[in-house]
Amino acid sequence: GAGVSQSPRYKVAKRGQDVALRCDPISGHVSLFWYQQALGQGPEFLTYFQNEAQLDKSGLPSDRFFAERPEGSVSTLKIQRTQQEDSAVYLCASSPRTSGGLGNEQFFGPGTRLTVL
Amino acid sequence: AQSVAQPEDQVNVAEGNPLTVKCTYSVSGNPYLFWYVQYPNRGLQFLLKYITGDNLVKGSYGFEAEFNKSQTSFHLKKPSALVSDSALYFCAVSALSGSARQLTFGSGTQLTVLP
Repeated sequence: GAGVSQSPRYKVAKRGQDVALRCDPISGHVSLFWYQQALGQGPEFLTYFQNEAQLDKSGLPSDRFFAERPEGSVSTLKIQRTQQEDSAVYLCASSPRTSGGLGNEQFFGPGTRLTVL
Repeated sequence: AQSVAQPEDQVNVAEGNPLTVKCTYSVSGNPYLFWYVQYPNRGLQFLLKYITGDNLVKGSYGFEAEFNKSQTSFHLKKPSALVSDSALYFCAVSALSGSARQLTFGSGTQLTVLP
């Protein structure tokens, strides 16, 4: 069956541009997470959705970052006025139940590598 | 706050030898512990998890991990390493935090298995 997919796989943006990163979770998965992985580091939590509700956005680094999941399936992470420090791999993960991390593994997509020049 | 430490950036082991990748954690309450593996240009793949019960957890590809509460450790092990095991390994912990069930990851350990 299909896993988590993300698009685009690679994105190069000029500083100041807006970007939109897409995540297609596994069908039927309730929980959806976004993580940011800087070079040489582990993923860091950005935000969490349970169906269409964004229950936690405490990891978003600034108000330039915005995420949505309007119909409870596909999610989009938008970064406005990109800066060089936004360069990273953005990972999406989904989990079948509401307690996505508590005892339930998360299924990760391949990530989108964002490079801001 | 929860945290994970992977003290070794790099582990090298000869093929056929046992391997250990170390992980220690800090969390309030009962921990839920995970190991993920990351191959180049691919997403993280789940290996195994500890929730409760037996301290020795067996997972995919012959990997296992031992939960040690007194040492707050969750080291990843394999009795006989394969060249194909070479990859980046991440330990992660989760606990209830607000309304999220986020994973907190370590910084990763690059495992290289030498033929």
